[in-house]
Amino acid sequence: KNEVEQSPQNLTAQEGEFITINCSYSVGISALHWLQQHPGGGIVSLFMLSSGKKKHGRLIATINIQEKHSSLHITASHPRDSAVYICAVTPTTGTASKLTFGTGTRLQVTL
Amino acid sequence: ETGVTQSPTHLIKTRGQQVTLRCSSQSGHNTVSWYQQALGQGPQFIFQYYREEENGRGNFPPRFSGLQFPNYSSELNVNALELDDSALYLCASSLTLAIDTQYFGPGTRLTVL
Repeated sequence: KNEVEQSPQNLTAQEGEFITINCSYSVGISALHWLQQHPGGGIVSLFMLSSGKKKHGRLIATINIQEKHSSLHITASHPRDSAVYICAVTPTTGTASKLTFGTGTRLQVTL
Repeated sequence: ETGVTQSPTHLIKTRGQQVTLRCSSQSGHNTVSWYQQALGQGPQFIFQYYREEENGRGNFPPRFSGLQFPNYSSELNVNALELDDSALYLCASSLTLAIDTQYFGPGTRLTVL
């Protein structure tokens, strides 16, 4: 079993829909990261959080430390949001900035 | 734009060969991490360098080695290439060793035939 699990693996939505991607982890963490990866490979960091909720534009990330669960929400989705969204954690043991990644959620937003 | 660059973009090698991948971190970033991402998978941590010293290593054999230079550039070297080494190799830099946002390069796609 992977230390970081994401669901769903694939997601198709129509433009304007509200999207939720879930992440569960099984290890103690210092921080959780949400990342976006476009075709071709480049990864962009969206959020880093260790408690509560963060918002940036149409993106919202929440984390529940007790339940070891985080969600990434996209409001009013747009085709340009199509990408792979990856959840990663910084475990409390080991190298401070080492990340352990989930396998990603592939999002396709259609017109 | 993150300011982290990687070269080359694509590379094709044959089994048994050696390869060197390069990364140029954002100026001032003392920490660089290297990751291997197989097709359809999340990235896997290879190792991390801080101020030119290896600071942690994932579950990769010794034929994966690295260097970090004072000018914020770094290298990933892989000897005796195997077919399973075919992957996207990503470097990511951060300001310090502390828990911090990591800035990723665009990656080098390595194909081993």
